[in-house]
Parts: sequence; C-alpha cells; structure tokens
Amino acid sequence: GQNIDQPTEMTATEGAIVQINCTYQTSGFNGLFWYQQHAGEAPTFLSYNVLDGLEEKGRFSSFLSRSKGYSYLLLKELQMKDSASYLCAVLSGGYNKLIFGAGTRLAVHP
Amino acid sequence: DADVTQTPRNRITKTGKRIMLECSQTKGHDRMYWYRQDPGLGLRLIYYSFDVKDINKGEISDGYSVSRQAQAKFSLSLESAIPNQTALYFCATSVDNLEQFFGPGTRLTVL
Repeated sequence: GQNIDQPTEMTATEGAIVQINCTYQTSGFNGLFWYQQHAGEAPTFLSYNVLDGLEEKGRFSSFLSRSKGYSYLLLKELQMKDSASYLCAVLSGGYNKLIFGAGTRLAVHP
Repeated sequence: DADVTQTPRNRITKTGKRIMLECSQTKGHDRMYWYRQDPGLGLRLIYYSFDVKDINKGEISDGYSVSRQAQAKFSLSLESAIPNQTALYFCATSVDNLEQFFGPGTRLTVL
C-alpha cells in the first residue's frame, strides 16, 4: 500500500526553528515535494528532493533519505506568516502520480 | 491574471443535481489534475490528464467524470451529487514530473 505520515499539528515560537518530519512507504519513488498551504488557499510549492541530502532555499531546507523513507522540512527564523499547513507529497508509480500526506498544521506564536 | 483559474469558487447544491467544475490555465502545461481535499485526509487525486483527450483515473474517481477537450481546459463533473462529495476541490497543472501549480479551489457543498 501507499502511506505517508506526518504529524497533525505543531506549535513554535516566532524566531525559532522547527522541523516537520515525513515518513513514506510507496510503490516506487520518483521524488518528494513539500507544499505550503494557508487556510482556505491553494497549496504552493516549497521544495523538491529526488536525491539523498539537504536542499536549502532561504529560510527553508528539505532533507531526504530514500533508504529510510524519510524527509524533513526545516523552517528557520520563524515568522507569523509561516503559520500554515505543510504538505509532504511523494511522486510514485508508473504514471508518476503525487501521493499527499494529510499535512502538518503549524502554529507560530509571538 | 492568475495562471490557473477555477469556476465557480463556491457552490451549494442539492443531492441528485449534476454539477460541473471548470478549470482553465494559461501556463501552457500539458498535464492537468483534479484533487479533492477533506479535513484530516489531505489531497486525493480524482482524475488526471497528460494531454488533450487523455483521461486517467486517480484513487477516488467513482462518482466523478472529466473532460479534456482543449489543452487549457479540464472539467470535472458530478453526475448526481451526494453529500459525501462535499469538499474543497483543486485543479492543478504541471510540466512532466515537476512541481504542480494549483488553482484557488472550489468549495462545494451538497445538501
């Protein structure tokens, strides 16, 4: 079967660092995406990993370990506007379909 | 102007009615997708299309149909709406296996 797990909710303080974990078991793997989604809005692309290691993009970094079926999204210098849901998604299968996790709702407090 | 648009943005309908949701894109992408989002379940793929006239079922296609008559348009139909189809529906586009670009969503309520 296909399964993507991530924590349901997290809280953090403005200015701090938070790590959102994602573990996956899918039939085939062709890459892992992280999306940000503010309440009631469309998901927007944050990062893409296809090889093991860390990808850094400004305040956001994403890590992938294919052998462990594990990824994390690291958010530094948290801002109030980072309060949103963060969706982990795996590109899997012969037709390269995106399989989404249920999302992690992050609340940033002053 | 937005690259991916959806109409309507909100719709309330009754059980048994036929509903069509429209998606249009100006990005020139070949691939288009329809997802639904329910609280606690994340985004689930309904149908996808890699080219005009190409239609593929996703994980939850029962009760839905789609039409891709032009590269820029991908329509989702509910032939006979039922209450458990109440959800937030997103259209998305992509080039090959790269990032997907999502429309603003359609909030559908079936009474």
